[in-house]
Amino acid sequence: EVQLVESGGGLAQPGRSLRLSCTASGFTFGDSAMSWFRQAPGKGLEWVGFIRSRLYGETTEYAASVKGRFTVSRDDSKSIAYLQMNSLKTEDTAVYYCTRDITGTYYFDYWGQGTLVTVSS
Amino acid sequence: SYVLTQPPSVSVAPGKTARIPCGGNNIGSKSVHWYQQKPGQAPVLVMYFDRDRPSGIPERFSGSNSGNTATLTISGVEAGDEADYYCQMWDSNSDHVIFGGGTTLTVL
Repeated sequence: EVQLVESGGGLAQPGRSLRLSCTASGFTFGDSAMSWFRQAPGKGLEWVGFIRSRLYGETTEYAASVKGRFTVSRDDSKSIAYLQMNSLKTEDTAVYYCTRDITGTYYFDYWGQGTLVTVSS
Repeated sequence: SYVLTQPPSVSVAPGKTARIPCGGNNIGSKSVHWYQQKPGQAPVLVMYFDRDRPSGIPERFSGSNSGNTATLTISGVEAGDEADYYCQMWDSNSDHVIFGGGTTLTVL
């Protein structure tokens, strides 16, 4: 059974950093791209960024709203994907989800339950 | 960047057919995927590559994509289908994942 479990959410002050983790099981982690999405309260889904598999060079892509502040990485030995969030802004407040996809398909068949990040002073 | 447009809401009576459109410039030449999201839950993939259903998704759900509109169709709508529905695609020009704004399906 495929499982994705996010952790690391919580309260952070503007300008500070937070790192989210996504622990995966039930599939060959190294063969999958891993993506992060978010959903602000009462708003729609927003893509944050992703990292392709080693076969595709572990290249990354980011939404314009987070580029230069957020970094997606992965540790295939632990089956964990990370989202490092720096220079947080109040508008980064959202539930953050991790997902997987078979690289090159760009649809997301399994999602974690999400972790809430609140950026507030 | 590419924009996907969805109506904010669609209403349908139980047992009828709901059609949720997703508009985009020449979207018929692209692959569109659909997600269902119920309050407080993570999204669930209900359609991929325009018209393919993941296992576990009822046959009542179908998809089409042509011209400037992709459509998610739900036949014999049930109360349990009430949810937000999002269309999504990959924009190869920008290397970005794109979502529509979402449509709230209300079962009357």
